[in-house]
Amino acid sequence: SQTIHQWPATLVQPVGSPLSLECTVEGTSNPNLYWYRQAAGRGLQLLFYSVGIGQISSEVPQNLSASRPQDRQFILSSKKLLLSDSGFYLCAWSVRADQPQHFGDGTRLSIL
Amino acid sequence: EDQVTQSPEALRLQEGESSSLNCSYTVSGLRGLFWYRQDPGKGPEFLFTLYSAGEEKEKERLKATLTKKESFLHITAPKPEDSATYLCAVRGSNTGNQFYFGTGTSLTVIP
Repeated sequence: SQTIHQWPATLVQPVGSPLSLECTVEGTSNPNLYWYRQAAGRGLQLLFYSVGIGQISSEVPQNLSASRPQDRQFILSSKKLLLSDSGFYLCAWSVRADQPQHFGDGTRLSIL
Repeated sequence: EDQVTQSPEALRLQEGESSSLNCSYTVSGLRGLFWYRQDPGKGPEFLFTLYSAGEEKEKERLKATLTKKESFLHITAPKPEDSATYLCAVRGSNTGNQFYFGTGTSLTVIP
C-alpha cells in the first residue's frame, strides 16, 4: 500500500531564516505531488504541484519554492522566512490529476 | 469568486442524531467532487469521490450524494468518534490540476 511521510511535524523558525520541508511517498511510481498551506478558517491553498521529476508548477506567487529531485520526493523551501509564512503545510499525492489526493500529516510552522 | 461553499461552519449533534452537511460548488464542467475528514493536527483523510449527478457513495454511517450544484454528506446515527472537520473539494474542466477546497464543517458529536 502507498504511504506518505512528511517531516518535521512541528517547526519553530525565526524570521529571515531558511526553510526546508520534505515529503516522500512510498508504494507508487510517478505520482502527482502537491504542497498546500492551510490557514485557520480558510480552505487549503495549493502552493505547488509536480507531475514529474524537475517539473514544478506554482499556483501562488510567494516567498516559497519547491523542488522534486527524485520521483517520490518533494521539497518545500524558502531562503528567508516571513511572519506570513506561518501555517500548516500539507503534502499530498495522487495517481493522476482527476484522482483523489492523499495527504500526509502536515508540518505546523511557526515563525517568531 | 468562491468555487466551493460548505455549510454549516459548525454542527453539534447528540449521539444518534442524524444530519447532513452541505457542499455547494460553482465550477464549470465538474471533474470530481471529493469528501475528506480531517482530525485536529492531522492531514485530511480521503472519504469519497463523486463524478456525476445522481451518484451516491456509502461508508459505514456516512453517505455522500451529488446533484448538479451541490453535494450532501449524510451522517446517520453518528457516534462521538465521527467528530472531525469534513472538507469538500472540487475539480472542474477549467481548474487544471487544482482542487478547490471549502473551509469545512466542524462536526461535534456529544455522547
